[in-house]
Amino acid sequence: AQKVTQAQTEISVVEKEDVTLDCVYETRDTTYYLFWYKQPPSGELVFLIRRNSFDEQNEISGRYSWNFQKSTSSFNFTITASQVVDSAVYFCALSEPSSNTGKLIFGQGTTLQVKP
Amino acid sequence: EAGVTQFPSHSVIEKGQTVTLRCDPISGHDNLYWYRRVMGKEIKFLLHFVKESKQDESGMPNNRFLAERTGGTYSTLKVQPAELEDSGVYFCASSRTDFQETQYFGPGTRLLVL
Repeated sequence: AQKVTQAQTEISVVEKEDVTLDCVYETRDTTYYLFWYKQPPSGELVFLIRRNSFDEQNEISGRYSWNFQKSTSSFNFTITASQVVDSAVYFCALSEPSSNTGKLIFGQGTTLQVKP
Repeated sequence: EAGVTQFPSHSVIEKGQTVTLRCDPISGHDNLYWYRRVMGKEIKFLLHFVKESKQDESGMPNNRFLAERTGGTYSTLKVQPAELEDSGVYFCASSRTDFQETQYFGPGTRLLVL
């Protein structure tokens, strides 16, 4: 069965520290998509990244980077030199084309608090 | 381009009452999704519309929930009668044509049933 696990419920760091948010997924499909969303205090879900299962290249976008490893079924998210504005709940999600729907399966979310 | 909008932003109702949530997707997006997050738990899928048709409603909790998308534009989600366990944040998302395209979310409706 498909499942996404974000084992870290809450993380607290001091500004400028690096922080990694873990995401482990389960799927029987060979084709699937992984996503990260950010939910700031204002409440909306903000799209960060979408990655398909055939592209294992790591991605970097400014202070954000993502490490996709199929061997360990993980899609971890690292924020370098964290800032107070990074404080939010971060969700990892999975979708499977074989389900014939685009529904996302979310992890429980990781609350990140960045202290000044 | 306007994003996904949802109305109302908050709703407080009493058990047994009816509430209707509305979602306006991004213009031109065929796919519209409803999700719900109950306090402290993961965001769960409710249903998926392709234009005006229900593609997948496997996540709808029970028959007290009714979703519509007349004309393939905006969607409504009605809860009748509301129960305490229906409290949570209801998110709407939309995507273009392909099911696997990125879904863009609205700000959510916070529903509290007393």
